[in-house]
Amino acid sequence: AQSVAQPEDQVNVAEGNPLTVKCTYSVSGNPYLFWYVQYPNRGLQFLLKYITGDNLVKGSYGFEAEFNKSQTSFHLKKPSALVSDSALYFCAVSLMNRDDKIIFGKGTRLHILP
Amino acid sequence: GAGVSQSPRYKVAKRGQDVALRCDPISGHVSLFWYQQALGQGPEFLTYFQNEAQLDKSGLPSDRFFAERPEGSVSTLKIQRTQQEDSAVYLCASSARDYNEQFFGPGTRLTVL
Repeated sequence: AQSVAQPEDQVNVAEGNPLTVKCTYSVSGNPYLFWYVQYPNRGLQFLLKYITGDNLVKGSYGFEAEFNKSQTSFHLKKPSALVSDSALYFCAVSLMNRDDKIIFGKGTRLHILP
Repeated sequence: GAGVSQSPRYKVAKRGQDVALRCDPISGHVSLFWYQQALGQGPEFLTYFQNEAQLDKSGLPSDRFFAERPEGSVSTLKIQRTQQEDSAVYLCASSARDYNEQFFGPGTRLTVL
């Protein structure tokens, strides 16, 4: 069965510092991997996805994520955090080459300190 | 429209009432998904349509939950005899076929008293 783990409920980072939000996954095939962000009272917004190819994926708002097959991880990163990055971040996985449901992690609340 | 829309945005129901939640997907998107997001949790899959066909309903928590998409566009999620544990945000998402990136609506927050 597919699953996603986000080991940190909350991450606090000072503005201007680099940030990392961790994610590991488990699938029985080749994964599609996603990061979504959720702001208060708003729907989920797509940040980036990994399908195949370069392990470093660049997405919206300066975010990037690194796919590591051996560690089954897909950590979200940003070189310099902004206060406006404070939100709830979800890592997600679905099976490659199938129009299929997405399995979400429980989410990590990112708090950027001014 | 420009994005996925859902209505109503907020719904308060008394326990035992039936509710209907509507989703308008992005025009032309073949696939439509419903998710349930409980407070403090990630969204959990409920059901999936490809055009009008319901291909996966494995996530529906009970037979009180029913979804339809009769013309392959707008979808309705119906919950009969609502219970307090049904209180959650119900998210709808759509995607273009063979593309797998899902676009989410703002959700309907259901509160069952």
